[in-house]
This record gives sequence, C-alpha cells and structure tokens, in this order.
Amino acid sequence: KQEVTQIPAALSVPEGENLVLNCSFTDSAIYNLQWFRQDPGKGLTSLLLIQSSQREQTSGRLNASLDKSSGRSTLYIAASQPGDSATYLCAASNSGYALNFGKGTSLLVTP
Amino acid sequence: ETGVTQSPTHLIKTRGQQVTLRCSSQSGHNTVSWYQQALGQGPQFIFQYYREEENGRGNFPPRFSGLQFPNYSSELNVNALELDDSALYLCASGIGGGSRTDTQYFGPGTRLTVL
Repeated sequence: KQEVTQIPAALSVPEGENLVLNCSFTDSAIYNLQWFRQDPGKGLTSLLLIQSSQREQTSGRLNASLDKSSGRSTLYIAASQPGDSATYLCAASNSGYALNFGKGTSLLVTP
Repeated sequence: ETGVTQSPTHLIKTRGQQVTLRCSSQSGHNTVSWYQQALGQGPQFIFQYYREEENGRGNFPPRFSGLQFPNYSSELNVNALELDDSALYLCASGIGGGSRTDTQYFGPGTRLTVL
C-alpha cells in the first residue's frame, strides 16, 4: 500500500523567502505525482502534475521535482507571498486513477 | 470552461440516516472520483466511476455507493451513517481511458456532519 508523508507539517516564513516542501512515498512504481493547494475549508486546486517519466515541472514561481528511485518529490516556491498561505498536498498515483495523499504542509507567509 | 460543482455545501445528518451528495463534472471530463477528507487529514480515495461503472475502489465499506450518469454528473450515497463519516467529501473529475486518469480537478466539497 502506497504511503505518502509530507514534511514539515507546518511552516512559517517571511514574505519574499524561497522555500521547499518535501513529499516522500513508499512505492516507487508510481504512474504520476500531483501537487495541490487547499485553502481552509475549500476544495483542492491542482498546481503541478509530474508523470513518472518526467523529472520536474514548472509553473510560474512553482517548481516540482520527482525522484522515483529515492521515493521523493519536492515543491519549490520562489519569492513567497502572503497569498501563498495555504495547505499544500502531495498525491502519488500507482493505479493511474486513485490518488494517495499525504496529510499536507500548512504554509503561512507573513508580510 | 465550467468547473466541478458539488451540492449541497453543508449537510447535517443523524447517525443511522442515509445521505446523497451530488457532483457535476467539468465539461469534457469522463471520470468522476470521490474522496473523504477528515479534519487534519489528507483526502482518502473512495471510488472512481468511468462510463457509468465503478472503475476502482478504496478501503470503504459497501454502505458507500455511487452512480455516474450519462451527462457525467455523479452521486455519492452513504447508508447507515456513523459519527466517523463526518468529513469533507470531495468530488474530482478528469479525462481517463479506463485505467488511467491524468490531472484531476476537484470541486469545493460538501461538509457532512453526523450527530
């Protein structure tokens, strides 16, 4: 069974700082890995999807990497802003349709 | 492009009752998945529907059931509600070919409280 762990559970940084969120998974035979953002009490917003054949994906200030051999993915956020404050969830898919989520990292960016 | 919508937004039920939650998929998507998210936890996969049939199921008992309609809208039914069923229920739609679904787009969720 795929287990996904996210570290740290919570993070507080001053505005403008670059930061890295970590995600680890136990089964390296993944189909893809997806990063989501969740605002309090809301649904999930897809940020980046990395297919198993890819090493990284970029969108604006976000960059996600994937290392299947070590069972790790990282989400890099450049020049953080208060609007980036949210919970960030990592999800690995082995089946191609079911997502296995971590518990998330709660990010607070202070002005 | 229409997003994924869910109804109702909030719902309060009593233990033992039955509940139906509804989801309308994003235009052009042919798969619908349901997830349960307890407070402080990541979402847990309940099941996915593709071409109106259940395509895969997580570790949830049979009292969790679903339907997908020809217009790709979907229902999640939960019978004999238990206190632990209190959670945010999320619907996600995507484009799939039976065994593969790429980016999934989530709705805002339905907050279910069981008393």
